Amino acid sequence: DADVTQTPRNRITKTGKRIMLECSQTKGHDRMYWYRQDPGLGLRLIYYSFDVKDINKGEISDGYSVSRQAQAKFSLSLESAIPNQTALYFCATSGAGVNYGYTFGSGTRLTVV
Amino acid sequence: QKEVEQNSGPLSVPEGAIASLNCTYSDRVSQSFFWYRQYSGKSPELIMSIYSNGDKEDGRFTAQLNKASQYVSLLIRDSQPSDSATYLCAVSSRGGGADGLTFGKGTHLIIQP
Repeated sequence: DADVTQTPRNRITKTGKRIMLECSQTKGHDRMYWYRQDPGLGLRLIYYSFDVKDINKGEISDGYSVSRQAQAKFSLSLESAIPNQTALYFCATSGAGVNYGYTFGSGTRLTVV
Repeated sequence: QKEVEQNSGPLSVPEGAIASLNCTYSDRVSQSFFWYRQYSGKSPELIMSIYSNGDKEDGRFTAQLNKASQYVSLLIRDSQPSDSATYLCAVSSRGGGADGLTFGKGTHLIIQP
């Protein structure tokens, strides 16, 4: 099984619908992140969490919300999806300290029509 | 606003040659630097990290850091067609990436057989 699992892998939804992207990890890390990737814009941080009680906004949090249900689970919600939220979404996890790198999930390709 | 700049490419290199990828960053207090490889449609994969000025070698990869010039590079020796991918430079301004990494938009590398 993958260290970081994202579901669904692909999703097409309609404008105005609520959608949740889920992420779970088996690395035992406290830190989890949500990024979106758009062609020409690169990876941008949406939200990050250092533990269950610590949630922080990233660079582009407007229109998104998150829930950290457990150390291993971090969900991203779009309350009312809009077409410019069409993107590739990645969840990532990391350990603490300087000698670490992020482990990314396989991604969720979301299309809002 | 922290910025990480990379030439988007494509950078075309003959098989067996050295590929040189460059990255500059704006935040002078940046402490941790990472190179990720991303194949089309796949998630980023960590290939190198560097924290101190100088060179760090790992197999065919060498990362170089110059904090005075705010410059980090990645050299790939004996380039192979399988090295063809987009390479992302990522920077953390606090040790351990306390607020999430800032990513460059990536350099598209093509290794020509």
